[in-house]
Amino acid sequence: QSALTQPASVSGSPGQSITISCTGTSSDIGAYNYVSWYQQHPGKAPKLMIYEVSNRPSGVSSRFSGSKSGNTASLTISGLQTEDEADYYCSSYTTTYDYVFGTGTKITVL
Amino acid sequence: QVQLVQSGAEVKTPGASVKVSCKASGYTFTGYHMHWVRQAPGQGLEWMGCINPDSGDTKYAQKFQGRVTMTRDTSISTAYMELSRLTSDDSAVYYCANELGTTKKFDYWGQGTLVTVSS
Repeated sequence: QSALTQPASVSGSPGQSITISCTGTSSDIGAYNYVSWYQQHPGKAPKLMIYEVSNRPSGVSSRFSGSKSGNTASLTISGLQTEDEADYYCSSYTTTYDYVFGTGTKITVL
Repeated sequence: QVQLVQSGAEVKTPGASVKVSCKASGYTFTGYHMHWVRQAPGQGLEWMGCINPDSGDTKYAQKFQGRVTMTRDTSISTAYMELSRLTSDDSAVYYCANELGTTKKFDYWGQGTLVTVSS
């Protein structure tokens, strides 16, 4: 199972909106609405930010939103803040009952 | 509150095995799957497999088949991941993460266990 494809880095200024893409195949992202997103600060464990494409867990800011079209999922962060600077990973359930992660995207707040 | 507390860092020689533990609290341990994910230095996340703590049933990523064993001890709400025939490529931080529900996500994560494989 190959990793999902994400851009290596995305940057934005405080207050701006940015979007991270996550491209898979018809065997993972395209097969189910089981796409989730994780935020990871340096030296810390990942944190769940979005599940089932667009649902936010309790306590996650509404500035984070998710969507999906075909084999590509996206995470949008609106009103970018300095604390959003971190690595972000997408994940999808697959048709072989496995899970696959994205390659990861480093978000830089300019 | 949900907590997953993992065992401490390990240093192993090539060819050895390592067993990492993950003690769960704050929820019904046997009610939800436990996953193991690893992250090599400077690299991304990699799913290794999962265990159903109630039945003991496991699902391993193909890459680790034959080399990984996931077990649990329900009496102490602890999950274990053992990886054998270690090489330097197995040097990584290993995380446990639970899946609270059936929505194929990793809800809470342990703090991670650094495994270093070096001769």
